[in-house]
Amino acid sequence: GAGVSQSPSNKVTEKGKDVELRCDPISGHTALYWYRQRLGQGLEFLIYFQGNSAPDKSGLPSDRFSAERTGESVSTLTIQRTQQEDSAVYLCASSPLGASNNSPLHFGNGTRLTVT
Amino acid sequence: AQSVTQLDSQVPVFEEAPVELRCNYSSSVSVYLFWYVQYPNPGLQLLLKYLSGSTLVKGIHGFEAEFNKSQTSFHLRKPSVHISDTAEYFCAVSGGYQKVTFGTGTKLQVIP
Repeated sequence: GAGVSQSPSNKVTEKGKDVELRCDPISGHTALYWYRQRLGQGLEFLIYFQGNSAPDKSGLPSDRFSAERTGESVSTLTIQRTQQEDSAVYLCASSPLGASNNSPLHFGNGTRLTVT
Repeated sequence: AQSVTQLDSQVPVFEEAPVELRCNYSSSVSVYLFWYVQYPNPGLQLLLKYLSGSTLVKGIHGFEAEFNKSQTSFHLRKPSVHISDTAEYFCAVSGGYQKVTFGTGTKLQVIP
């Protein structure tokens, strides 16, 4: 079946512009995560959606970053007034989160964002 | 709160030699443990998982890991590595309705 889909796969933008990144999770997956991965670095947690609960936004690095999710479907990550330090791969992952939280994550292939 | 420590940021190993990538975790609740692999294609792929039962779990590509509760460890092993195993490996923990927590990753470099 279809996996997690992210678009665009690559995005080049000028400093100061806003960008919107999209994630289509696997159908039926209630949990959705966004991560940032700078070149040569590990995964940096950004935000976590779980069903209808309030999202965990504890990883968002500044108020320029925001994310939305409609129900258990598509999520968009918006970065306003982009800075060069925002250049990274943005990864989305979803899981069929059960009550015990033992489901592995399914990752998309990421959006590579370059801010010039 | 949960945390994951991957002690080695880089591990070079010769082809056909054994390898162990270390992972230690801390958690106040029962845990589920995972190893993911990231090839140059940015997406991560599940390598193996420990949920319950046997403490030795086997995954894809010949990898295995052992859950050690007393040492709070979940080290990843492979008896003989191949060039194609060159990648970055991430250990992760979840449990108790908390979000998944990842370690900082270990880059495995297989030397021909």
